[in-house]
Amino acid sequence: SQKIEQNSEALNIQEGKTATLTCNYTNYSPAYLQWYRQDPGRGPVFLLLIRENEKEKRKERLKVTFDTTLKQSLFHITASQPADSATYLCALDMIKAAGNKLTFGGGTRVLVKP
Amino acid sequence: EAGVTQFPSHSVIEKGQTVTLRCDPISGHDNLYWYRRVMGKEIKFLLHFVKESKQDESGMPNNRFLAERTGGTYSTLKVQPAELEDSGVYFCASSQVWTSNNEQFFGPGTRLTVL
Repeated sequence: SQKIEQNSEALNIQEGKTATLTCNYTNYSPAYLQWYRQDPGRGPVFLLLIRENEKEKRKERLKVTFDTTLKQSLFHITASQPADSATYLCALDMIKAAGNKLTFGGGTRVLVKP
Repeated sequence: EAGVTQFPSHSVIEKGQTVTLRCDPISGHDNLYWYRRVMGKEIKFLLHFVKESKQDESGMPNNRFLAERTGGTYSTLKVQPAELEDSGVYFCASSQVWTSNNEQFFGPGTRLTVL
């Protein structure tokens, strides 16, 4: 079955720096790869999606890359702020159709220090 | 617009008891999902409804779990009888049937503790 690896160690960075998170998967490449943010006591919140035929996607200070050869996605937060502190989850959607289950990684906790 | 709501936010029960979790999706979202996160593990899929029909229940752990979505609106997830390993946070999510990105909207979760 598909396995997803995210760095389980917390990422501590200084405000203003770029945080880079990795998401590695085994087996088949997903149709879509999504990134979510989760704050304590809350449910995940969708941030970005990248499709299997896309290399890079941007949204404001966020950037996602997708390399199906390496079976890896990188998630970047540029000019990080303390408000960016949260757990970030990658999730795989294996089917090209609306309405499918997501397979989540364990998440990486990010702590941005002022 | 109201988001996905879940009730209760917390539930503490004893082994062998029954618990029913409720999820109210975003109005107009025909897709409804249940996920679960047990301590130290990743969020895992349980099942998926399209309106009132079960589309995929491959993640349901065993027959002690019963999910329903009568009328295609809110959904309930019943655990009967509860076991210690059922403890965790149960998330509900919803999405539109026709969407370009399959973004799922999650509720805040129900934290279930089985003693």
